[in-house]
Amino acid sequence: DTGVSQNPRHKITKRGQNVTFRCDPISEHNRLYWYRQTLGQGPEFLTYFQNEAQLEKSRLLSDRFSAERPKGSFSTLEIQRTEQGDSAMYLCASSLTYRGSQETQYFGPGTRLLVL
Amino acid sequence: GENVEQHPSTLSVQEGDSAVIKCTYSDSASNYFPWYKQELGKRPQLIIDIRSNVGEKKDQRIAVTLNKTAKHFSLHITETQPEDSAVYFCAASRRVTGGGNKLTFGTGTQLKVEL
Repeated sequence: DTGVSQNPRHKITKRGQNVTFRCDPISEHNRLYWYRQTLGQGPEFLTYFQNEAQLEKSRLLSDRFSAERPKGSFSTLEIQRTEQGDSAMYLCASSLTYRGSQETQYFGPGTRLLVL
Repeated sequence: GENVEQHPSTLSVQEGDSAVIKCTYSDSASNYFPWYKQELGKRPQLIIDIRSNVGEKKDQRIAVTLNKTAKHFSLHITETQPEDSAVYFCAASRRVTGGGNKLTFGTGTQLKVEL
C-alpha cells in the first residue's frame, strides 16, 4: 500500500494519560498535515510541516499537543494529559508541492482516540 | 478565519436521479476548492477539485461549479448509483505560512441513494 498510513488505528486511554500517534506519508511527499475530526463534523486543521519544519499551528492545538517530523518523513502527534474532549479521529494528510498550483492532500485512515 | 457552510446536511435521492450539494465560503483569499467523499469508517478521498481561475470542471458523472463573486461552489452528481452513498465534504483552501494549504471543511452532506 503506497498511500498514507497511520498507527495505531484505534486508541483507548484513560483521562490524564499521554498518547502518541504516528503518520507515514506517501513517499517523497514533502508536506504533511494533521487534522482532527469529531463525529458529524468535517476535519479541522491542526498543524502542518514542510519537510521537517512545522510552519503553521491552529489555535486548536493547545500546549498539551505537540507534533514532530524529525527527518522530514514520518510524523508523530503527542497529546499529554488527555481529556475527554480530545476524543476524536486524528487524520493525517500528505501532499507534494507543485510549483504555482494548489496540491492535492491525500488522507490516511486516521487514528480514532477515545478518552475514558 | 475562513468559514465554510454546506447544505443540505442530508440528501436522499432515487437511483439514477441527480444530487446537488452547495457550499459557501467567506475568505476571498481562498483559491482552491476540493470535494472529498468519506464512507463510514474510511479515509476522506478526493473526488474532484476546482481552482479559482476556473468556473466549472467535469469528470464523468461528477461536476463542480464555482462562483467567485458570490463565494459559492457546488457539487453535481448525475445518474446516481448506490455506491455514491457516503458523506461528502466540501473544503476551501488558502495558502498559509511557507506555502502550505490550509483546508477548511464544511460540515458534510450524508447522501443516500435509494434503489
